[in-house]
Amino acid sequence: SYVLTQPPSVSVAPGQTARITCGENNIGVKSVHWYQQKPGQAPVLVISDDNDRPSGIPERFSGSNSGNTATLIINRVEGGDEADYYCQVWDSDGDHPVFGGGTKLTVL
Amino acid sequence: EVQLVESGGGLVQPGGSLKLSCAASGFIFSDSVINWVRQASGKGLEWVGHIREKGNTYATEYVASVKGRFIVSRDDSKNTVFLQMNSLKTEDTAIYYCGIAVAAMEGYFFNSWGQGTLVTVSS
Repeated sequence: SYVLTQPPSVSVAPGQTARITCGENNIGVKSVHWYQQKPGQAPVLVISDDNDRPSGIPERFSGSNSGNTATLIINRVEGGDEADYYCQVWDSDGDHPVFGGGTKLTVL
Repeated sequence: EVQLVESGGGLVQPGGSLKLSCAASGFIFSDSVINWVRQASGKGLEWVGHIREKGNTYATEYVASVKGRFIVSRDDSKNTVFLQMNSLKTEDTAIYYCGIAVAAMEGYFFNSWGQGTLVTVSS
């Protein structure tokens, strides 16, 4: 069973780069997906399969995944990026998805 | 345009039952795996269960905490998925979202979600 560990919060100044991590033993062999959720709204997919951006998601969003850590990278952070971010992988033993605990991104 | 609309949420007493619906449009519903994901107030996302398509025998899976109490079903003729929730507990209180699964390199991810419906279990 997978337990995805995310930092509860990350803070960054506008224009800087935010890095949100998702940790699990050997997560580098998994496909990692990332969702953005703003208050009162449903989640929105921002990255799939480690580093694929759905249409409509700014190029400022990217991902990496290696070893024991996957990372969502947001370049040139804007106030509108302030949200909760969740990582997700597939638990092949249980045949179901698993979410990380979420990270609140604060834009200072 | 892909659209998912949940309904059926409300207030129910512990031990009671509730049935949620997720009406879909804008994609080939019968070929899709549909999921339920919940979120308690101030908490993270928790996968609840899914139902696969006809080609995969409408197979269902559930998170351990709801197995034996919740049942996911679907009516492809009405493009609707249901979540029957029985023996409800206070810890089932959450917003319940339905989501469309898209095949990933392994398993799937969610590319569309409904707006959610609130279930409150309280006496």
